[in-house]
Amino acid sequence: DAGVIQSPRHEVTEMGQEVTLRCKPISGHNSLFWYRQTMMRGLELLIYFNNNVPIDDSGMPEDRFSAKMPNASFSTLKIQPSEPRDSAVYFCASSPGAFGNTIYFGEGSWLTVV
Amino acid sequence: GENVEQHPSTLSVQEGDSAVIKCTYSDSASNYFPWYKQELGKGPQLIIDIRSNVGEKKDQRIAVTLNKTAKHFSLHITETQPEDSAVYFCAAAGPGGSYIPTFGRGTSLIVHP
Repeated sequence: DAGVIQSPRHEVTEMGQEVTLRCKPISGHNSLFWYRQTMMRGLELLIYFNNNVPIDDSGMPEDRFSAKMPNASFSTLKIQPSEPRDSAVYFCASSPGAFGNTIYFGEGSWLTVV
Repeated sequence: GENVEQHPSTLSVQEGDSAVIKCTYSDSASNYFPWYKQELGKGPQLIIDIRSNVGEKKDQRIAVTLNKTAKHFSLHITETQPEDSAVYFCAAAGPGGSYIPTFGRGTSLIVHP
């Protein structure tokens, strides 16, 4: 099992640029999550999908953030335009979906906006 | 919504000592409590979980206890080893529409050889 695959692993970009983070969930999992991790806020849930449909995006910080899941094996998190305060580690995770199932995290995308 | 408090934020122990991390939660409906370990540069990984129908669960050197009345649960690591050094997160989840775990802020455990 390849696990949750995220790309890029590291990205440094200039303020104002568009950033796209990509995720391939574990095959067969029908829930997908995007988290952001910072020292100040810890692990924050940004959005989650069930069967490719966004269920709760209340954690998305502002309109500059958007997420899509066009099919069961791919999701993107986009930040446009990026700002220095968006610098963080962004994790994608997936789960079989039923209550009490383990959430499996990817290795994270380390974003630095300068 | 659920609120999970985790203490301490940093824990430093000598190799071979025990380590205890404590969490409290606010939603009495929560009934699933996973613990995750995050090593440097990696994503969190589940190490043990407990459901509300049991008070304690053990897996080799790690154990978790749950007190539903007091709404707190703890992670116990015995005979700590340097490879136990990591950030540990507790979480709580419940039925009633959202099974998504709410995470604590994390505890950085340092085990000194």
